[in-house]
Amino acid sequence: QVRLQESGPGLVKPSETLSLTCTVSGGSITSYYWSWIRQPPGKGLEWIADIYSNGSPYYNPSLKSRVIISIDTSKNQFSLRLSSVTAADTAVYYCARESRDGYNYWFDPWGQGTLVTVSS
Amino acid sequence: DIQMTQSPSSLSASVGDRVTITCRASQTINSYLNWYQQKPGKAPKLLIFAASSLQSGVPSRFSGSGSGTDFTLTISSLQPEDFATYYCQQSYSKEYTFGQGTELEIK
Repeated sequence: QVRLQESGPGLVKPSETLSLTCTVSGGSITSYYWSWIRQPPGKGLEWIADIYSNGSPYYNPSLKSRVIISIDTSKNQFSLRLSSVTAADTAVYYCARESRDGYNYWFDPWGQGTLVTVSS
Repeated sequence: DIQMTQSPSSLSASVGDRVTITCRASQTINSYLNWYQQKPGKAPKLLIFAASSLQSGVPSRFSGSGSGTDFTLTISSLQPEDFATYYCQQSYSKEYTFGQGTELEIK
């Protein structure tokens, strides 16, 4: 079955850029939307952005000015860059595949998540 | 953006109880509503999609209903492994949003 695995630094300094990669295994990255979702410690889930396999991105307006999502179909990977980070960006970051039924989209499967801490 | 409000925020129940969690959208979302279960330290797991469709492999004691703005997740007979946090998520708007979560605790 399809598996997702996040990778990237666990510690980022304030004002710097957070960079994460999600590697997809057990299936093709093509013909799907792929998302990044985050969860601050002890809090709820926030959708960050998604990208279709053809490279079309869509961003959460609240983060749009700081986020870039990209995809590399040759490597079966997609990536997240979040600039000018602050302590408020400390969270577990998940990657996930979007599945659909008509116009309804849901997230399944998910990666295991990676904790990114913003601290000097 | 579409706000999703779950109630209650936390709930204490016993094994064997029937439990209902409610999710209300700030505007109509048709049936574009999904439910997830999250256990501590783990990624969320899809339970229900399109308001009432049970994801493959999910026990039949889980069910979902609703359309428009009001939705419910019901667990017919709580099992020990069901104690977790539950989230609803809408996809009517491309700016996907989640409810704040309902923490289900053992009484």
